[in-house]
Amino acid sequence: SQKIEQNSEALNIQEGKTATLTCNYTNYSPAYLQWYRQDPGRGPVFLLLIRENEKEKRKERLKVTFDTTLKQSLFHITASQPADSATYLCALPTPSGGYNKLIFGAGTRLAVHP
Amino acid sequence: GAVVSQHPSRVICKSGTSVKIECRSLDFQATTMFWYRQFPKKSLMLMATSNEGSKATYEQGVEKDKFLINHASLTLSTLTVTSAHPEDSSFYICSATTSGAPYEQYFGPGTRLTVT
Repeated sequence: SQKIEQNSEALNIQEGKTATLTCNYTNYSPAYLQWYRQDPGRGPVFLLLIRENEKEKRKERLKVTFDTTLKQSLFHITASQPADSATYLCALPTPSGGYNKLIFGAGTRLAVHP
Repeated sequence: GAVVSQHPSRVICKSGTSVKIECRSLDFQATTMFWYRQFPKKSLMLMATSNEGSKATYEQGVEKDKFLINHASLTLSTLTVTSAHPEDSSFYICSATTSGAPYEQYFGPGTRLTVT
């Protein structure tokens, strides 16, 4: 079955540095991959979608890469701020498709310290 | 745009009672709505997919008679947890997609259910 792995340990970085989060997946080749942000006790918020034919995508201070050979996506936040502290979830569509159902990773918690 | 609301945000109920959670798309018509549950520090687990006017499609292992889903309109889906038990205590989250952006899911704020 499909599996998504995100670093379960929290990532602690200093304000102003670049945060890099990793998402690895196994057992299939998704047409796209998404990243979401989730704050405690809240629903996730969509951040970025990157398609299999795109190597990199940017949105303001966010950058996502997608390496279909390594089956890995990297999520970067440049010039990080304490307000960026949250859990970041990686999500992929299920192979069966249909209604664009997603499988989510467990997320990586990012803490940006002043 | 693309705001999804859930009601209630928190609910505490006694074991054996039923609880209904509403999910509304406030400023768009949702082609599909999804229901998830999430345990602390765990990933979101998809429970079912809901389309307006048709029966929900449940994921393997999810009891459809226990988790009743009604998608009455393009802006409203409800999840009813019937005969709730303490193990049903969880964070329930809905999401919706639009025809204009079918790959993005817009999530509600979630409902914290505690069954005593």
